[in-house]
Amino acid sequence: RKEVEQDPGPFNVPEGATVAFNCTYSNSASQSFFWYRQDCRKEPKLLMSVYSSGNEDGRFTAQLNRASQYISLLIRDSKLSDSATYLCVVSSAGGTSYGKLTFGQGTILTVHP
Amino acid sequence: NAGVTQTPKFRILKIGQSMTLQCAQDMNHNYMYWYRQDPGMGLKLIYYSVGAGITDKGEVPNGYNVSRSTTEYFPLRLELAAPSQTSVYFCASSSRTSGEQFFGPGTRLTVL
Repeated sequence: RKEVEQDPGPFNVPEGATVAFNCTYSNSASQSFFWYRQDCRKEPKLLMSVYSSGNEDGRFTAQLNRASQYISLLIRDSKLSDSATYLCVVSSAGGTSYGKLTFGQGTILTVHP
Repeated sequence: NAGVTQTPKFRILKIGQSMTLQCAQDMNHNYMYWYRQDPGMGLKLIYYSVGAGITDKGEVPNGYNVSRSTTEYFPLRLELAAPSQTSVYFCASSSRTSGEQFFGPGTRLTVL
């Protein structure tokens, strides 16, 4: 089983749509969770951290369910500029593993007019 | 601040050649990382460093070496390049554990 698994995608949605991405992780001791965004042929950049209480940043809402080891990202009112690959990222915990991130394979989102 | 810089941007190597991918950061981050990303795949950690003089293997270290003599620089060395090392290589840094990692623009390497 992969350490971090994401929806295979790709997602192709019209402008204004709401789209949700899901992610599961296998290490129950994982400590920190993130969504990164990667534009085509560019480097990943942090979109938002994910907290157990859920958190929102404008049109983006992230949720974490530690019991189910499940992370989600909801994008409301999609814009053309949201087209990118979204990476679910988990930070391992313990010993020499601090600071190391494990990336999911990414989900491609294309928003069309 | 330039953030994380990488050179070169592109490189084509012949099988068996060697090269060093350069990475520098000007944010005084203790933690630095090297990843590779194959098409349609997530990033895989090659090596990481928690400070000058300290390095450790990641998930896919075979065929690579690193050094960290200063806080700013974290070069990645490829010895005896193989076609399986064709990939995009990203260097990253962070200021603390489990925090945001800042990535360089990447080096696209092709081994023929």
